[in-house]
Amino acid sequence: GAGVSQSPRYKVAKRGQDVALRCDPISGHVSLFWYQQALGQGPEFLTYFQNEAQLDKSGLPSDRFFAERPEGSVSTLKIQRTQQEDSAVYLCASSPKGKDRDGYTFGSGTRLTVV
Amino acid sequence: LAKTTQPISMDSYEGQEVNITCSHNNIATNDYITWYQQFPSQGPRFIIQGYKTKVTNEVASLFIPADRKSSTLSLPRVSLSDTAVYYCLVGVSSGSARQLTFGSGTQLTVLP
Repeated sequence: GAGVSQSPRYKVAKRGQDVALRCDPISGHVSLFWYQQALGQGPEFLTYFQNEAQLDKSGLPSDRFFAERPEGSVSTLKIQRTQQEDSAVYLCASSPKGKDRDGYTFGSGTRLTVV
Repeated sequence: LAKTTQPISMDSYEGQEVNITCSHNNIATNDYITWYQQFPSQGPRFIIQGYKTKVTNEVASLFIPADRKSSTLSLPRVSLSDTAVYYCLVGVSSGSARQLTFGSGTQLTVLP
């Protein structure tokens, strides 16, 4: 597609429920990033993939967060046993070959609300 | 990672030039300076990147003094649609992927 597509656009989860957030990067983009953005704050790094390899997961806040990109294209961010503090916008970004000379392309995000 | 400091908010009027300055006193030799723009309910959008002196594209200009301890994003003749949060980022751009470190950004409000 022309851009990075994320689904669902909005997700409401009851506390304790598991959720899965999907990211479709731009076709052919090697690098894929997940970010978490709390209300009124800048995005914070969660994890990074190069093709199917997860090269950096240092930003994942707890072992309840898990990300995968099994075929090197679509990625899923899974949050188990959601808590209220997980409420945020989850952004996905992609880039060709990891270069950021022309910037990374972000999706519009998934707004997760845990009630 | 170099820490960046930028104003929390700025107001401007349509048609004016807007300059947003970011300080990054601890910038490293290999670090580049990148600016992103974010509208409500959207992801950040790359605006411009530079290493030194001046960079200009169809959207903005980026001025970087010789000591590189600060940078200024210049938006010519802003319109209401330029109301957004602007983020200044500093980090290595060596051709390999790196995580972006965003601060809280500058909320620019363009008034009619």
